[in-house]
Amino acid sequence: EDKVVQSPLSLVVHEGDTVTLNCSYEVTNFRSLLWYKQEKKAPTFLFMLTSSGIEKKSGRLSSILDKKELFSILNITATQTGDSAVYLCAVEGGSGNTGKLIFGQGTTLQVKP
Amino acid sequence: DAGVTQSPTHLIKTRGQQVTLRCSPKSGHDTVSWYQQALGQGPQFIFQYYEEEERQRGNFPDRFSGHQFPNYSSELNVNALLLGDSALYLCASSFHRALYGYTFGSGTRLTVV
Repeated sequence: EDKVVQSPLSLVVHEGDTVTLNCSYEVTNFRSLLWYKQEKKAPTFLFMLTSSGIEKKSGRLSSILDKKELFSILNITATQTGDSAVYLCAVEGGSGNTGKLIFGQGTTLQVKP
Repeated sequence: DAGVTQSPTHLIKTRGQQVTLRCSPKSGHDTVSWYQQALGQGPQFIFQYYEEEERQRGNFPDRFSGHQFPNYSSELNVNALLLGDSALYLCASSFHRALYGYTFGSGTRLTVV
């Protein structure tokens, strides 16, 4: 059965800290791995990773994929209270020849002032 | 640039009733996927529509059905509602090749009482 597992499930840090969120997966027909930030309702897109070992960066956020070991990490440096959210990892793949997203359970990040 | 639009935003239904949720995809997108997100969980794939046909389906009973219209908008129908159907229902749109990931709507919060 396809599965995506995120760790930790929740995390509390103080502003300025650096955090690392983990995502491991076992998904057939892997196409890509995506990270989303969910604050209230709509998950907002952060990164899409398809190639192993290539880091993607956007401001204080960065992410990398290891397709051999089947995991990805999302790093957030110099955290701010506005980073407080649920971070979702999703893998596009699974049975069938169309894309569907298989999500992990999410990591809830709380950044305290 | 209109993103993904979902309606209604909130809905309260009684057990046994039927409900219809609606989704208008982002401009330029032709594929619509529906997800169910229970409280504290990651989204679960329900089904995906492309060219007005259901391309793939997740592990949901036949009470869950959908439709896609020629303008690419989509509906999700749930019959014989159960208390366990209470969740946030998310619509995600993409271009069929999904080269640039998926864009999510803000969701419909369904409460079954």
